[in-house]
Amino acid sequence: AQKVTQAQTEISVVEKEDVTLDCVYETRDTTYYLFWYKQPPSGELVFLIRRNSFDEQNEISGRYSWNFQKSTSSFNFTITASQVVDSAVYFCAFDSGYSTLTFGKGTMLLVSP
Amino acid sequence: DGGITQSPKYLFRKEGQNVTLSCEQNLNHDAMYWYRQDPGQGLRLIYYSQIVNDFQKGDIAEGYSVSREKKESFPLTVTSAQKNPTAFYLCASSAESTGGRYEQYFGPGTRLTVT
Repeated sequence: AQKVTQAQTEISVVEKEDVTLDCVYETRDTTYYLFWYKQPPSGELVFLIRRNSFDEQNEISGRYSWNFQKSTSSFNFTITASQVVDSAVYFCAFDSGYSTLTFGKGTMLLVSP
Repeated sequence: DGGITQSPKYLFRKEGQNVTLSCEQNLNHDAMYWYRQDPGQGLRLIYYSQIVNDFQKGDIAEGYSVSREKKESFPLTVTSAQKNPTAFYLCASSAESTGGRYEQYFGPGTRLTVT
């Protein structure tokens, strides 16, 4: 069975600090997809990124970057120069190809001014 | 604008009553999903539907029922058999359900309180 672990329950940083959110997954599958979603206080989940298991290239999108390492089964998310608007719960999720997502329990990020 | 609509945002019911949560999408997506979120927990899948008139149980289907009579609609009924129905319910859709090739898009959620 697949499992996604987000060991950091809550992280507090001051604006402009860099912060990394950890995600570790467990699977026996060779083909799978990893996702990150953001849940702001309004409640709606916002899709951030999808990565398949054959693409280990890191990705950067503005202040966001993702580091995928199959050797350690990790898919970590870094926010550079954090802003107050980044305050949210962030979920890592896994899909092995059976049409359902397995979510981690989320990391609450609080960015204070 | 395309998107997913869930109504109402907040819903209050008395224990023992069935309640139906609405989910509508105009994204022309084939697959739709219902998740439950409890404080400090990730999302848990209740039901999903890959095509009209077909749906499958997720991890926590007991006490819930769904229907998919139209492509754009996937209502969830929380029955009186659900022992702990108070939660935040999220509906999602994706272009197809072919295992991760398409991301899921989420609605704003319905917060159900049963007393």
